Amino acid sequence: EAGVAQSPRYKIIEKRQSVAFWCNPISGHATLYWYQQILGQGPKLLIQFQNNGVVDDSQLPKDRFSAERLKGVDSTLKIQPAKLEDSAVYLCASSLESASFAAQHFGDGTRLSIL
Amino acid sequence: SQQGEEDPQALSIQEGENATMNCSYKTSINNLQWYRQNSGRGLVHLILIRSNEREKHSGRLRVTLDTSKKSSSLLITASRAADTASYFCATDDDSGAGSYQLTFGKGTKLSVIP
Repeated sequence: EAGVAQSPRYKIIEKRQSVAFWCNPISGHATLYWYQQILGQGPKLLIQFQNNGVVDDSQLPKDRFSAERLKGVDSTLKIQPAKLEDSAVYLCASSLESASFAAQHFGDGTRLSIL
Repeated sequence: SQQGEEDPQALSIQEGENATMNCSYKTSINNLQWYRQNSGRGLVHLILIRSNEREKHSGRLRVTLDTSKKSSSLLITASRAADTASYFCATDDDSGAGSYQLTFGKGTKLSVIP
């Protein structure tokens, strides 16, 4: 089966600019996650979707970050305006269901550098 | 907040040796998962152990769980250069509304020298 697809792989922007990331999950996976991984740390959940509804966005900085999953398949994550501390890898993952035992399948991420 | 904390932060071994990584966590869990991340890539699910299990095997991987000590270990036997990667434990955290957020530790960076 095809894995989780993310684009772009790399992005360099200046602070205060906006940026968007795209994710296409594994076909049939109802649950989609966006994580932020800062260098040297583990991934931190930003937002979790079940189909096209938000299940958990408690750690999403809503003043600058937004995400949507229209039609319950692809998803986009946007940052506007970007800050220096947003430099990180943004990982998308998907799973068959929203359960603690569900294995999550990750894309290779988008590496964002803020100048 | 990060619940799982791996130890050691970095580990360097010779090919053929065994590698052991430990994970400690703070609150009660339903499940604990281990993931691997090769440099510049996404995470790959390795194994899940439920809170009522004490040990689980998958190929060269052996995972133990001690809920009384709130700790888990991942053993990789007969390591290979291809095992070089960062390894993360992830614990579930019922953050409400059934979201069961996974919380990852900072990881152990394993280097296997050929």
